[in-house]
Amino acid sequence: SQKIEQNSEALNIQEGKTATLTCNYTNYSPAYLQWYRQDPGRGPVFLLLIRENEKEKRKERLKVTFDTTLKQSLFHITASQPADSATYLCALSPNTGNQFYFGTGTSLTVIP
Amino acid sequence: ETGVTQTPRHLVMGMTNKKSLKCEQHLGHNAMYWYKQSAKKPLELMFVYNFKEQTENNSVPSRFSPECPNSSHLFLHLHTLQPEDSALYLCASSPLAAGEDYGYTFGSGTRLTVV
Repeated sequence: SQKIEQNSEALNIQEGKTATLTCNYTNYSPAYLQWYRQDPGRGPVFLLLIRENEKEKRKERLKVTFDTTLKQSLFHITASQPADSATYLCALSPNTGNQFYFGTGTSLTVIP
Repeated sequence: ETGVTQTPRHLVMGMTNKKSLKCEQHLGHNAMYWYKQSAKKPLELMFVYNFKEQTENNSVPSRFSPECPNSSHLFLHLHTLQPEDSALYLCASSPLAAGEDYGYTFGSGTRLTVV
């Protein structure tokens, strides 16, 4: 069966450190992979998209890597801040269409 | 506000009631979606509409009935729901074509409680 798995346990890190979140998938050949941020009681907010032929993408303090051999994406937040505390979701599209399937998310807490 | 507006924000309904959730976007997007988010579970894709046409129905029970009268509005009609249908229902929209900033824009959701 198709699965998208993210760190099941909450991640706590010290302010200023780099947070690294993992997204692993099985039985998908995604054309696109996205990362979202979700705050309590709100809908997810789109952060970054990476394509299957891209290894890495950056946006300000965010970096995403995509390894189609390992079937894994890593999401990094450098110089983390308490305001980065949220749940982070990965989502992938199995083709070049517009339907995305989501992981369960990882809760990140940045401790001042 | 994200540009996608969902109403109501909260809804409590009995199992025999009929209610509707509404979603509206004025972002010029041509695709709209309904997702269900339950605790400890991934977002579940329920319905997809491209240019007002339904292109996906992920084995959703018939007690959920979507309606998309135009590219800016999406409804989810609810009837004879079960307590396990209690969840956060999220509407999203997106462009159809993937681009550099391609992503879904979500509304804030409707928190549904079935009693």
